[in-house]
Amino acid sequence: NAGVTQTPKFRVLKTGQSMTLLCAQDMNHEYMYWYRQDPGMGLRLIHYSVGEGTTAKGEVPDGYNVSRLKKQNFLLGLESAAPSQTSVYFCASSPSRGYSNQPQHFGDGTRLSIL
Amino acid sequence: AQTVTQSQPEMSVQEAETVTLSCTYDTSESDYYLFWYKQPPSRQMILVIRQEAYKQQNATENRFSVNFQKAAKSFSLKISDSQLGDAAMYFCAYRSVGGSQGNLIFGKGTKLSVKP
Repeated sequence: NAGVTQTPKFRVLKTGQSMTLLCAQDMNHEYMYWYRQDPGMGLRLIHYSVGEGTTAKGEVPDGYNVSRLKKQNFLLGLESAAPSQTSVYFCASSPSRGYSNQPQHFGDGTRLSIL
Repeated sequence: AQTVTQSQPEMSVQEAETVTLSCTYDTSESDYYLFWYKQPPSRQMILVIRQEAYKQQNATENRFSVNFQKAAKSFSLKISDSQLGDAAMYFCAYRSVGGSQGNLIFGKGTKLSVKP
């Protein structure tokens, strides 16, 4: 099984450019998440989805948008990239709330640099 | 809101020795889950061990064990017989049982070095 796959793995953008990060999972999980990891900050939740067609804001949502048109995919968009969005982005998925003891499955991350 | 604190930004251990990584958390909930994740230089997030708050018995996974002190809101990770492959960032994480989000709340991490 592929698990959680993130595309791309690395990207450099110029300030003001836009891009979309793709997350795909093949485990039929209901919940999906986008986190960002910055040095000395741990992982912080950007947006999440509890099912197809639903999205919600997390701790640090400003400057990002998300969509979950299909259950297996969760897209993270940057409309106008800023240097403060330079980070490593992780996607994760998990079964529904009734399985809270189940670990989240993480993708391998996307390193994004904004110049 | 829940918070997770890892007070040791960096730790070092000699190969084959034992090391303990500290984690404290703040919550008003009575039921929740706690996790330790390992992040090697490859950047992968690897689950090391999990603990359910309603269980008094400390979880163990081979060389990894936790000391879960619910009243003190403490969840430390002990690594026995440390190996070079244990060198990584370690994150402590909290997850509510209730609520609609189901996300993990992470500490800032502890970087563990293993000396040969």
